Amino acid sequence: DAGVTQSPTHLIKTRGQQVTLRCSPKSGHDTVSWYQQALGQGPQFIFQYYEEEERQRGNFPDRFSGHQFPNYSSELNVNALLLGDSALYLCASSLTGTQYFGPGTRLLVL
Amino acid sequence: KQEVTQIPAALSVPEGENLVLNCSFTDSAIYNLQWFRQDPGKGLTSLLLIQSSQREQTSGRLNASLDKSSGRSTLYIAASQPGDSATYLCAVQEDDKIIFGKGTRLHILP
Repeated sequence: DAGVTQSPTHLIKTRGQQVTLRCSPKSGHDTVSWYQQALGQGPQFIFQYYEEEERQRGNFPDRFSGHQFPNYSSELNVNALLLGDSALYLCASSLTGTQYFGPGTRLLVL
Repeated sequence: KQEVTQIPAALSVPEGENLVLNCSFTDSAIYNLQWFRQDPGKGLTSLLLIQSSQREQTSGRLNASLDKSSGRSTLYIAASQPGDSATYLCAVQEDDKIIFGKGTRLHILP
């Protein structure tokens, strides 16, 4: 049984560009949450998707948007990248309750 | 607003010693509490998960306790080894999101 997978593993972008990160949930899971972990900090909740809708959102600007597909996979999009968006982006999936994390995508913005 | 605090921020101990990492949270209405390990530049590895109705969980040399009424959890590591060196993150889940502490950086001295 495959766990949560994320792609790509690493990514380098320049300021002002746009980026899309992808997440495939654990088999049977229908809910996907995204987190941002800046260097030296704990991960922070960005938003959660369920039934292709954003269900809850953390304190992140509208430059951060997402999507969930009918197969429950999800994308995180960040527009107009800033240097401060450099971080590890973690995806977590769940069915009812406990969230399981993927390995993350490390984004570097130059 | 839920806040998770981890003390100490960093800890160095000689190999073989037993040690305790502390975590406190401000709102006892949690779904569960997890302890994660994170190696430098890597993703999260779940160590122990304690459901809100439970008091402790054990895995090998690790034991985690949960006292919801006081808003505290401890992670006990027995007979520490150099391979235990990592950052340990405490996280509480509320409904749809997980709130993390900033972590304790642990260094086991050979």
